[in-house]
Amino acid sequence: GNSVTQMEGPVTLSEEAFLTINCTYTATGYPSLFWYVQYPGEGLQLLLKATKADDKGSNKGFEATYRKETTSFHLEKGSVQVSDSAVYFCALARDGGFKTIFGAGTRLFVKA
Amino acid sequence: GAVVSQHPSRVICKSGTSVKIECRSLDFQATTMFWYRQFPKQSLMLMATSNEGSKATYEQGVEKDKFLINHASLTLSTLTVTSAHPEDSSFYICSATTPYQGAGTQYFGPGTRLLVL
Repeated sequence: GNSVTQMEGPVTLSEEAFLTINCTYTATGYPSLFWYVQYPGEGLQLLLKATKADDKGSNKGFEATYRKETTSFHLEKGSVQVSDSAVYFCALARDGGFKTIFGAGTRLFVKA
Repeated sequence: GAVVSQHPSRVICKSGTSVKIECRSLDFQATTMFWYRQFPKQSLMLMATSNEGSKATYEQGVEKDKFLINHASLTLSTLTVTSAHPEDSSFYICSATTPYQGAGTQYFGPGTRLLVL
């Protein structure tokens, strides 16, 4: 079946450090891939997405590349800020469908 | 654009009472809305998929008689937790989408925290 696996958190970084949150997926066909962010006490916000292999999604300094050969969609940011502290969810939606499968989430703490 | 609101943001109720949570798409028409439940420090669990004008599709293990979903218009879906019990306490999140938003893209409401005493 379809699934998403994320690295376990929490991840604690100092401000301006480089961030990588690993995400791998299992799916048949050609899913669309997403990163969502959830700030404390809030709902999820779409951070970025990629709909086909080799696409790179980017937003707010974050980026992720859809790697079909490694079934991965790792999230990266070159220099994190305290305001980036949140929970990040990797997700997939299959073949134009709307039902989304979420990873377990990775909590990020950024220290000043 | 693509704003989804939820009301209330927080509710405390007594065991045995019913609670209604509203989910509205403010600036687009949502043909499909989803209801999720999120336990502390865990991922989202899809409860049901709601299409305007038709019955909701519930995920396995979700009691349809306990979690009543109504999608009466293209901008409003409601989730009613009937005869709530303490184990129903959770964070409930809705999302909305249309075919025009692109495959799988959902816009989430801010969530409703339910506490049943």
